[in-house]
Parts: sequence; structure tokens; C-alpha cells
Amino acid sequence: DAKTTQPTSMDCAEGRAANLPCNHSTISGNEYVYWYRQIHSQGPQYIIHGLKNNETNEMASLIITEDRKSSTLILPHATLRDTAVYYCIVRVAGANQAGTALIFGKGTTLSVSS
Amino acid sequence: GAVVSQHPSWVICKSGTSVKIECRSLDFQATTMFWYRQFPKQSLMLMATSNEGSKATYEQGVEKDKFLINHASLTLSTLTVTSAHPEDSSFYICSASSPVGEQYFGPGTRLTVT
Repeated sequence: DAKTTQPTSMDCAEGRAANLPCNHSTISGNEYVYWYRQIHSQGPQYIIHGLKNNETNEMASLIITEDRKSSTLILPHATLRDTAVYYCIVRVAGANQAGTALIFGKGTTLSVSS
Repeated sequence: GAVVSQHPSWVICKSGTSVKIECRSLDFQATTMFWYRQFPKQSLMLMATSNEGSKATYEQGVEKDKFLINHASLTLSTLTVTSAHPEDSSFYICSASSPVGEQYFGPGTRLTVT
């Protein structure tokens, strides 16, 4: 069963910020929020993950609400190459999870146009 | 980040023949690898969990005698599609779990059965 809910699709103009929402109202206290993306005909690519604090890396920022029931992935300056399907996944992290697969929902198809 | 490779990247085979797909973790040892299948415009579906030195665990609805998985070393898992049929045409993606539980994906293999 899907543990996250994402919009089916979103559009964004090149150079603008893309804000992708994700609802995970049943998230457990030890579950992290992970974001992956899949560009057409490629394998999924890790973007970022977080537990409760906001996170930022060279690709994106992750904003998690205080109650942890939702989050937003932010691509600050979207480019055409950011066009992809973005997946929000919640899972427990750590070495003891090495045997647990990531389960993908339907994700959000982000289309960046010039 | 860690690198996972797949070979071949694409393959065309005739109906009734078998095809082997290799998945390698290039810079870490992966006790566990996973195999996914993705049909056009759909999300990734987990097929099986492959543990080094033991039998794979298959998801419900996946035929273990048709999709043979071998995980003979900590860096290599293979998926063999036996007696392939056109309905097996799909995008097959593997992933490998690092010792700290992070999952890295291969680039995928496009299988077309004619």
C-alpha cells in the first residue's frame, strides 16, 4: 500500500523554483523521507532524504513540516534536464534496512519548459 | 555516489529464448540486491530480493522458475528471463544495498522480445 501521496503531474518554467509536495500522514517516528527521480529510460537517482530537519544539498532542498505529515522537495532553479518523475518514499534508514527494498508509488511527473 | 552497473543496457531476443541480465556494484559490497520491472508509463515494481549465497525471495505474482536470480558474489547478481515472450518486454532495473543500508540503482536494461 502506498504510504505517500503525490500529485500526478506538475509544470514549471525553466529558471523558476519547482516545489513538489508529498503527503505522508502515517509516517512513523523512525521513518525518513526519501526523494528519488527517474529521468526517462534511466534508473532512479537519489536526490535527498531527511528525518525531521530541513535538508539541503547541491541538488535540492527538503522541507519537512513540524508534524512530519508532509514535505516539499524544492529544486531552486529548474532546468530542462530536471524533467523527470519524482518519487517520495518513506522508509526506515540504517544498516539493518539493507535487506528492505524501496517501494515506489506513482510519483509526480515534473515537466520543465522554456 | 556509489555506482551500480547493468549489462546489457538493451537487448532484443526472439520469443522462446532466454536472456541474462547482469547487475554489478562497482565500489561496494552488496549483501542484498533487488530486481525491479517497469512497464511503459508505470512505476517500478519490485520483482525479487536477491541475497548473496541464498535463494532469492520473489514478490507475489512473479514466477521464480521464469525469472531466475543468482547472487553468487557480493558484487554481482544476475537475472535470467527464461523462455521469454513478448509480454516480458520491459525495462528491468536492479539496485544494490550498501553496508549502511542506502540503495543505489543501476541504469536499467531494456528488453524487447519479438
